[in-house]
Amino acid sequence: GESVGLHLPTLSVQEGDNSIINCAYSNSASDYFIWYKQESGKGPQFIIDIRSNMDKRQGQRVTVLLNKTVKHLSLQIAATQPGDSAVYFCAESPLYTGGFKTIFGAGTRLFVKA
Amino acid sequence: NAGVTQTPKFQVLKTGQSMTLQCAQDMNHNSMYWYRQDPGMGLRLIYYSASEGTTDKGEVPNGYNVSRLNKREFSLRLESAAPSQTSVYFCASKEDSPLHFGNGTRLTVT
Repeated sequence: GESVGLHLPTLSVQEGDNSIINCAYSNSASDYFIWYKQESGKGPQFIIDIRSNMDKRQGQRVTVLLNKTVKHLSLQIAATQPGDSAVYFCAESPLYTGGFKTIFGAGTRLFVKA
Repeated sequence: NAGVTQTPKFQVLKTGQSMTLQCAQDMNHNSMYWYRQDPGMGLRLIYYSASEGTTDKGEVPNGYNVSRLNKREFSLRLESAAPSQTSVYFCASKEDSPLHFGNGTRLTVT
């Protein structure tokens, strides 16, 4: 069935270290993947996305890697800062929905230790 | 500021009461969405509107109705609230790519 799952529910890192948040997806028909960040009391906020014709995309301090062979998505945050503490969601948009539907994983909570 | 605005921010209802959650976006997006978020879970789609004049069921539509009032506004109605509908509700909109979310309505049904 459709599912987007995360390997770890929580991740704790030291300030300044790199963070890696992993995500497995099950729908081979998905062609668009997104990472969102959700801070307490707020709605999810877009971080970075990637299409299935790419395997890596970089933003400011963030990189998303896509491995279609094993249906795995990861978010790397360089030089993690206290402001990065939040819940991170991976999401996918299957082709058969025409891009209208987005399916979310359960989320990983990132704690940044000062 | 451009974005998605949801009202109210908080609401407490008794079982059986009705209410409407309001959502408006000023980004001229065609598609609008209602999600619910429960502890330890991701967001689950309740209803969506691909464009003005259309609405479709999502993953968990039971107990809810929606109205796409115009291109800007998409409301979610609970006709007879139940404790299982205690949740945080998020409205979102998009045009091509990522969703843009409001800051949510926290609803408690007692």
